[in-house]
Amino acid sequence: GENVEQHPSTLSVQEGDSAVIKCTYSDSASNYFPWYKQELGKGPQLIIDIRSNVGEKKDQRIAVTLNKTAKHFSLHITETQPEDSAVYFCAASKTSGTYKYIFGTGTRLKVLA
Amino acid sequence: EADIYQTPRYLVIGTGKKITLECSQTMGHDKMYWYQQDPGMELHLIHYSYGVNSTEKGDLSSESTVSRIRTEHFPLTLESARPSHTSQYLCASSEQGHEKLFFGSGTQLSVL
Repeated sequence: GENVEQHPSTLSVQEGDSAVIKCTYSDSASNYFPWYKQELGKGPQLIIDIRSNVGEKKDQRIAVTLNKTAKHFSLHITETQPEDSAVYFCAASKTSGTYKYIFGTGTRLKVLA
Repeated sequence: EADIYQTPRYLVIGTGKKITLECSQTMGHDKMYWYQQDPGMELHLIHYSYGVNSTEKGDLSSESTVSRIRTEHFPLTLESARPSHTSQYLCASSEQGHEKLFFGSGTQLSVL
């Protein structure tokens, strides 16, 4: 069936360093790839998304890259800060019909001060 | 800030009790979803609705049921709770034609 693999499951970085989280999807018809951040005690919140007609998108310290051929997409966080510590989920979806997401398994990011 | 609310925030109950987890949104979204999040963090879709009187089962089999009598309200019910139902339950909504999900803060359910 359709699935999204996400790596690593945990990631610790020093404050100021960069963090990279990678996802691989199986359904080649997927064309929408959001990233969600879940802080402790809260529901996930969308932080950035990318569509299949774009290779890269950036929003301040956060960027996402997409390689459709390889079916890979990645989240890049630069100049990490303690408030970036959270669980991050990638997802893949088809924007026709149901919009049902296939979520990755999550990455727990810890930024060490 | 998303206008989607879940109550209760925490619930501890005994086996065999009937419970209803509430979810309401004030954004007028047609689509609503229930996800179950296990301690390993994974999110599993258990129910969704595309509008009033529309409900569908998700990818993960669940003994819970849902109803959608009003656009803003999407409650989840367990007729007889068991310890295996212990989990975090997250409600979400999205606007028709848009992919962004808005999540509530979740209900942490513990069944003893």
